[in-house]
This record gives sequence, structure tokens and C-alpha cells, in this order.
Amino acid sequence: DVKVTQSSRYLVKRTGEKVFLECVQDMDHENMFWYRQDPGLGLRLIYFSYDVKMKEKGDIPEGYSVSREKKERFSLILESASTNQTSMYLCASSSTGATNEKLFFGSGTQLSVL
Amino acid sequence: DAKTTQPTSMDCAEGRAANLPCNHSTISGNEYVYWYRQIHSQGPQYIIHGLKNNETNEMASLIITEDRKSSTLILPHATLRDTAVYYCIVRPSGILTGGGNKLTFGTGTQLKVEL
Repeated sequence: DVKVTQSSRYLVKRTGEKVFLECVQDMDHENMFWYRQDPGLGLRLIYFSYDVKMKEKGDIPEGYSVSREKKERFSLILESASTNQTSMYLCASSSTGATNEKLFFGSGTQLSVL
Repeated sequence: DAKTTQPTSMDCAEGRAANLPCNHSTISGNEYVYWYRQIHSQGPQYIIHGLKNNETNEMASLIITEDRKSSTLILPHATLRDTAVYYCIVRPSGILTGGGNKLTFGTGTQLKVEL
């Protein structure tokens, strides 16, 4: 079965801390995505990557950076966490090879910044 | 990506068909309609997609109007486990490079299946 694994289910950090959210996929997918989800706002795309070392900004990249050193791993970095970054973070991956390939999501990381 | 409009919430009795509408009046000719759902505390899950013909799989049926400006996701015999937020999304077809592979989610429809 295909799998997207996010390293933590729940995370509590303090304001100003550097935070790493890790995501690993085992499907050899080219594309990986980071979304955040907040009540009433749906899923919003933060960053995505369509190849190793490649990244593109999504709709809300401010305050975030990403790293993709290996094909299977995509990291989201909060350089200096703030309370407004408290949210559910969802990682996803997809293949480019086939047409109209679907997204596979991880279970999410609920991040609380105090 | 074309914008979609969905009702905020719907209720359905268990065992009945759940019909979830989606309006995508600005869809262009090469855009597919995708449906995902998100059960509470889980990541979204792919359900079905289509271009212009009706589609059916083990989870649901997708009915797309002839002018492709709207579609309906049908869960033929809804169960309590189908309670979730359902997202309707449109995106271009074909082998896409770079940013073409992203999906833009709206706020979806909260479906509540009750006894």
C-alpha cells in the first residue's frame, strides 16, 4: 500500500523556536506538497516540489521554507515559529509520469505554537 | 485552476444515497473534475475523477453535466463512516510539469450521515 508518513502527529513548540516537519513517501513520486489546514479556511498550499532540490512557493509561503535533498523526503521549516502558525500541517505526494495522477496525503501534524 | 462552489454542509440518512453537488461554471475544456474527502483527523483521500463522461468506482459515482459546468458526487448507500468533508477540485489534464501538479482545495461540503 502507498504511504506518506509525517514524523509527528502532535507537536508543541514555543514562539521563536525553529521547527522541522518531516514527510517521507515510499512511492517514488516526483511531486511533494505541504498544505496547512485551519478551521473555515480549508487546505492552503504552502510550498511544493516537483523534483529533488526544486521548490516552488504555493499560496501562503511567508514564514516557511522547505528542503528536498532526497526524492522521498520533503521537509517544512518554520525558521522562527509564531502563534499564527498553529495549525494542522498536511504533506502529500503525487506522480508526474501518468496523466491526472492523484494526491496521496499523510495523516497530518497538529502543531501548536505557544 | 477553475473555481468551484459547493454547499457548506449536507445531511443524509444512513442507507440513502448522498448526492453532493459542485458548480464549476468556469471550467475549461482540458480540466478534469476531482473529488476528495477528509474524514476527521485524517488527511484527504482521493475518491474519483472525470472529464466529461460519468464515472463509477467502488467508492462513488461521478455525474458531470453535458456542458461540464457542474457535477454531482453520488455515494449510493451512505454509511456513518462516510461522514466527512468532501472537496470538489478542477485541474488541467495531461502530463503536467512543475506547478501544474498542484491542487487547490476550497472549503468543501461537510456531509453528516445520521441514523
